[in-house]
Amino acid sequence: AQTVTQSQPEMSVQEAETVTLSCTYDTSESDYYLFWYKQPPSRQMILVIRQEAYKQQNATENRFSVNFQKAAKSFSLKISDSQLGDAAMYFCAYAGEEIIFGKGTRLHILP
Amino acid sequence: EAGVAQSPRYKIIEKRQSVAFWCNPISGHATLYWYQQILGQGPKLLIQFQNNGVVDDSQLPKDRFSAERLKGVDSTLKIQPAKLEDSAVYLCASSLLQAYNEQFFGPGTRLTVL
Repeated sequence: AQTVTQSQPEMSVQEAETVTLSCTYDTSESDYYLFWYKQPPSRQMILVIRQEAYKQQNATENRFSVNFQKAAKSFSLKISDSQLGDAAMYFCAYAGEEIIFGKGTRLHILP
Repeated sequence: EAGVAQSPRYKIIEKRQSVAFWCNPISGHATLYWYQQILGQGPKLLIQFQNNGVVDDSQLPKDRFSAERLKGVDSTLKIQPAKLEDSAVYLCASSLLQAYNEQFFGPGTRLTVL
């Protein structure tokens, strides 16, 4: 069975600085998708970024980028120029034969 | 464009009672998902529908949980009878087609079982 591990339950970063959230996964599949979702306090979960496993190029969305290492089964999220609105729970998710979410990392932004 | 709607937002019941949750996905989205999110954990997929057919219900506790999606649009998730460990937020999400598409989540229903 597939697993998704987020080893950092909580992280803090100074406003305007850069932070990296870690995610590792385990799978025997070769074709799958990886996601980072953001869940702000008392608000709905939204997609931050998506990566197709067959693409070698790392996905980027404005201040958000990923470091996808397929052989290492690692999928980290980098947030540049952190803003107060980035404070949230961040979930790494895998979609292949199964859909699996990690336990999440709570990100605090320090003003 | 309207988002995913869920009701009720909050529900408190006694153990062994029954409860039902409703979800209306984004118009045109073929795939609908129900997740259980226990406090401090990530969402766990309970069931995935594509149109009105079940794609994956491997993690649905079928002795007490049931779900349907009549006419391939809105959906209901039922728990009967509820246990203390069912206390969680139940999230509904929808996507255009497959799980590799972006999922759009509803606000969730917070269930407390006493």
